[in-house]
Amino acid sequence: GEQVEQLPSILRVQEGSSASINCTYENSASNYFPWYKQEPGENPKLIIDIRSNMERKQTQGLIVLLDKKAKRFSLHITDTQPGDSAMYFCAASATSGTYQRFGTGTKLQVVP
Amino acid sequence: GPKVLQIPSHQIIDMGQMVTLNCDPVSNHLYFYWYKQILGQQMEFLVNFYNGKVMEKSKLFKDQFSVERPDGSYFTLKIQPTALEDSAVYFCASRPGQSNERLFFGHGTKLSVL
Repeated sequence: GEQVEQLPSILRVQEGSSASINCTYENSASNYFPWYKQEPGENPKLIIDIRSNMERKQTQGLIVLLDKKAKRFSLHITDTQPGDSAMYFCAASATSGTYQRFGTGTKLQVVP
Repeated sequence: GPKVLQIPSHQIIDMGQMVTLNCDPVSNHLYFYWYKQILGQQMEFLVNFYNGKVMEKSKLFKDQFSVERPDGSYFTLKIQPTALEDSAVYFCASRPGQSNERLFFGHGTKLSVL
């Protein structure tokens, strides 16, 4: 199969701490890995992405890491704020034009 | 930024009826997608469409489903007939071309089948 597994399904952290979400994929041809944030009643919004020619990318309190050998990628949110509370989805796709496969989602709750 | 528009935002329909969900993709985009999301669950791929043809479809894309984009107008998802399990939010997405993987999502159409 070509599943994308995502863990944990629920993550509760204290405001100001960091949060980490992990995904694994099966298709070795996957070379594009976006992360989406989805708030209730809204569409998923791209927050950061990484391509297979990189191992690490950072922007505005978000860090993504990619380990191609292990077929694993992760999102790290530093200094979490209540506004970071949402559903987060990882996804993976290959340049061959196939679709993005989404992970099962992580519900992040940042508590004061 | 570029926007994908979906019409309507909410559709209520009786089981067995036909429904058409409309998507206005970003104007210069070439690849179009439909995803299905049941409340609180993951985004599930239904179908993608390029150059007037279906490229791939998943097991969720039942025989009752069809897509088209006549003459560059709306990219539509038609369900005929609808079933109770079709109740979900349907997201349309588009992207420019093969080398650019970023997807632009619409705000979704919530379909309620009664």
